[in-house]
Amino acid sequence: QSVLTQPPSVSGAPGQRVTISCTGSSSNIGADYDVHWYQQLPGTAPKLLIYENNNRPSGVPDRFSGSKSGSSASLAISGLQAEDEADYYCQSYDNSLSGRVFGGGTKLTVL
Amino acid sequence: EVQLLESGGGLVQPGGSLRLSCAASGFTFRSNAMSWVRQAPGKGLEWVSTITSGGGSTYYADSVKGRFTISRDTSKNTLSLQMNSLRVEDTAVYYCAKLRGQFYYHYYIDVWGKGTTVTVSS
Repeated sequence: QSVLTQPPSVSGAPGQRVTISCTGSSSNIGADYDVHWYQQLPGTAPKLLIYENNNRPSGVPDRFSGSKSGSSASLAISGLQAEDEADYYCQSYDNSLSGRVFGGGTKLTVL
Repeated sequence: EVQLLESGGGLVQPGGSLRLSCAASGFTFRSNAMSWVRQAPGKGLEWVSTITSGGGSTYYADSVKGRFTISRDTSKNTLSLQMNSLRVEDTAVYYCAKLRGQFYYHYYIDVWGKGTTVTVSS
């Protein structure tokens, strides 16, 4: 069980908007540690999608956005495309574990 | 272009040892903290170990503490992970990762290697 909780799966039709939640606690997200998001396409290594809560690396479409509030964070994907079908992971730091942690991952299915 | 190339994976019996290496290129290796992250078959990501840019501080997940040792050789731009007393549950793809960020607690992975597969089985 991860200390960061994500829904196992979400789905949406092409063009729709979906959000993926990442729920933590006072020892990680709630302690004001940054949240980062990674996208893992099938059979490939993960890739940085959002860093420091709401920043996109160069090359990531602005359809992807991140937010953080209290002990939770969210990844929003608008204008869903078939190529967005992937696993998504949130990541932060946990001071009770004294280390970085990932959420359990969310599988996005584009219907 | 920033590249991380892992090697050293393979099949090993329980209780055995393996040493993973990661050849880094395209950036100033001595300036960045580095990590190993693993992914068991069909499972999520697990942060395994981190070493600071100067090599003076390390972190290990509880699941590998006392069995794995992370190190770096700045002269060869190489990150290593010595894995001893391997268990079946250590079976995973191991990714080498370059860290970035302004402060230690806010570090994130901006570059991932393609991974190397470790299988622990009798």
